[in-house]
Amino acid sequence: GQSLEQPSEVTAVEGAIVQINCTYQTSGFYGLSWYQQHDGGAPTFLSYNALDGLEETGRFSSFLSRSDSYGYLLLQELQMKDSASYFCAVTTGGFKTIFGAGTRLFVKA
Amino acid sequence: EAQVTQNPRYLITVTGKKLTVTCSQNMNHEYMSWYRQDPGLGLRQIYYSMNVEVTDKGDVPEGYKVSRKEKRNFPLILESPSPNQTSLYFCASNPQNQYNEQFFGPGTRLTVL
Repeated sequence: GQSLEQPSEVTAVEGAIVQINCTYQTSGFYGLSWYQQHDGGAPTFLSYNALDGLEETGRFSSFLSRSDSYGYLLLQELQMKDSASYFCAVTTGGFKTIFGAGTRLFVKA
Repeated sequence: EAQVTQNPRYLITVTGKKLTVTCSQNMNHEYMSWYRQDPGLGLRQIYYSMNVEVTDKGDVPEGYKVSRKEKRNFPLILESPSPNQTSLYFCASNPQNQYNEQFFGPGTRLTVL
């Protein structure tokens, strides 16, 4: 079957750095995306990696290793507003997209 | 304003009563999708469409129908809703480019009694 694994919860303090890992097992792979979702809101796009390496967008970075079927989202200089759920998602053939179950990030003062 | 809209936002219905959730985007995107979100399961893709008159099944298509007669609209149809379709539903669209950024609608919370 196809699956994505990510930790269910992560807790960090304001100003710190946190890494959320995602391993995937899918038939077909086009790219790995990350989304943020606040309680009661819709998912919003953070980043996309189609090739191996690191993509940086402001305080957020995302990494992909296709040979290891692994990626991570790195959040730097954590702020209280970063408390949310984070989802990794793999796009396989066509436009089929599989999401992980999500990681709930708690940022403490 | 560029956006994806869904209607209704909230719906309580009874088993077997056909319903349609509408989805519309004003960004001229080729791709559109429907997802359901359940606690602990993340988002699961129901159906997706790569362009007008082109649709395909996602991971959980049973009990749902879709159509894509116009580029901007992608309605989700539940012909005979059942309680296990109680969920939070999201419509999403994205352009055909290398970034694969999906834009999500605000969600529709459906309860089937």
